[in-house]
Amino acid sequence: GENVEQHPSTLSVQEGDSAVIKCTYSDSASNYFPWYKQELGKRPQLIIDIRSNVGEKKDQRIAVTLNKTAKHFSLHITETQPEDSAVYFCAGTTGNQFYFGTGTSLTVIP
Amino acid sequence: KAGVTQTPRYLIKTRGQQVTLSCSPISGHRSVSWYQQTPGQGLQFLFEYFSETQRNKGNFPGRFSGRQFSNSRSEMNVSTLELGDSALYLCASNRDIYTGELFFGEGSRLTVL
Repeated sequence: GENVEQHPSTLSVQEGDSAVIKCTYSDSASNYFPWYKQELGKRPQLIIDIRSNVGEKKDQRIAVTLNKTAKHFSLHITETQPEDSAVYFCAGTTGNQFYFGTGTSLTVIP
Repeated sequence: KAGVTQTPRYLIKTRGQQVTLSCSPISGHRSVSWYQQTPGQGLQFLFEYFSETQRNKGNFPGRFSGRQFSNSRSEMNVSTLELGDSALYLCASNRDIYTGELFFGEGSRLTVL
C-alpha cells in the first residue's frame, strides 16, 4: 500500500517568516494530495489540496507544490501568523483510502 | 448544515472491556471512514464504509470492527481493550471517498486504564 512520510515533525518560525512542510509518497498511482490543519483540541480541517494533473496551487498565503517524478509534495505558508500554529497533516490517496503523514507541529512565535 | 457528529466525546474504560463509538455523517454523505490518532503516529486508517459495505480495512487487529447503517450512521467497536488502544478516534465523511475532501468529526477520546 501507499506510504506517506512527512517532515519535519516540529517546526518553529518567527511571525512573518515562511514555513515549509514536505511529504513524500510511494505509490505512483496516488492522485490526490490534501493538507489538513488541526488546531489544539479541534478536528482536522482541509486547508488546501492538489490533484496529480496540477503542479502547483495557491490560496492566499498557502500554496502546495507537487513533483510527481520525485513523488513529493510540499506545503508553503508565507507571512506566518500566530493563528497558523497547529498540527498539519499531509495525505495521499489513490481514491479508496487516505494515507496520512505523521503530522508537523508548527509554532509561530510572535 | 450539521457537521459530522461523534459520540461519546470522552470515555474511560478498563482493560478487557469493550467500547462502541458512534458517528453521524453530514447529510447526503455516504462514505464514512475511521481513524485512530495517537501522538507521533498521525492518523491511522481503520476502515471505510459506503452504503453499509466495508470497502477498505487498515492494519488493525480483529478486535476493531465497524458497521454502517442504512442512514449512513456508523459505529466502531473495540473489544478486549488494551492500554495501547487509548487514542482519539476520528471519523470522517464525504459523498464518496473518491471525490476528495474528508469532513472530520471532533473525535471520541478513549482512555483505557
